[in-house]
Amino acid sequence: GDSVTQMEGPVTLSEEAFLTINCTYTATGYPSLFWYVQYPGEGLQLLLKATKADDKGSNKGFEATYRKETTSFHLEKGSVQVSDSAVYFCALLKTSYDKVIFGPGTSLSVIP
Amino acid sequence: DGGITQSPKYLFRKEGQNVTLSCEQNLNHDAMYWYRQDPGQGLRLIYYSQIVNDFQKGDIAEGYSVSREKKESFPLTVTSAQKNPTAFYLCASGTTGGEKLFFGSGTQLSVL
Repeated sequence: GDSVTQMEGPVTLSEEAFLTINCTYTATGYPSLFWYVQYPGEGLQLLLKATKADDKGSNKGFEATYRKETTSFHLEKGSVQVSDSAVYFCALLKTSYDKVIFGPGTSLSVIP
Repeated sequence: DGGITQSPKYLFRKEGQNVTLSCEQNLNHDAMYWYRQDPGQGLRLIYYSQIVNDFQKGDIAEGYSVSREKKESFPLTVTSAQKNPTAFYLCASGTTGGEKLFFGSGTQLSVL
C-alpha cells in the first residue's frame, strides 16, 4: 500500500545550522506531496506542498522538491531558528481516494 | 474568524464508558477527518467524511464511531470497545480532494 517514510528523530541543531529532513514515499501514480508542521500542544499546519514532479514548494525559508525518480521530498532550510522547533510530518495525497497519508513525523529541536 | 474547533482540550474516560469528542468547522469544507496520534508515532486515520450523512472507515476504525448530520460538525465517539484509547486526537477539514487540510488544536484523551 501507499506509505511515507521519514528520517528518525529527534534532530537537534544549533541556531543558524542547515536543516535537512529526509522523506521518501511509496505510491503508484502521481501523488501530491506535503510537509506539515506541529508546534507543541497544537494541531498541524500546512508548511508547503508540491503537486507534480520537479515542483518546488517553499514557505518561511523552508523548501522541498518533488523528485519522482527517487520518490523523495526532502525538507531543507538554510538557517534554522529556535522558533522552528517542532515536529515535521511528510505526507502524500492520492486524489483517487482523497485521503492524506502521513509519515511518522520528525522532531526538531533548535538550541541557541 | 474561520477555523476548526475541537473540545474539550483534555478528557478523561472511566472503564467501560463511552466518550464523545467534538469537532466543529466554519470553513464550509465538505470533507472532515479524525486522526489518532500516539507518542513518537505518526497520524493514523480513524474515520473520514466527504459529505453530510456519509462517512468511511479509516485504518483504525475499530472501537470508534462517528456521525455527520451537519456539514459543520463531525463528532467522534470513543466506545468501551476501544481498549487502548489514551492518545491525542486531531480533527481536520478540507475541500474535497484534500489539497490542504486544516487541523484543530486536538483533544488529549486519558483513561482513569
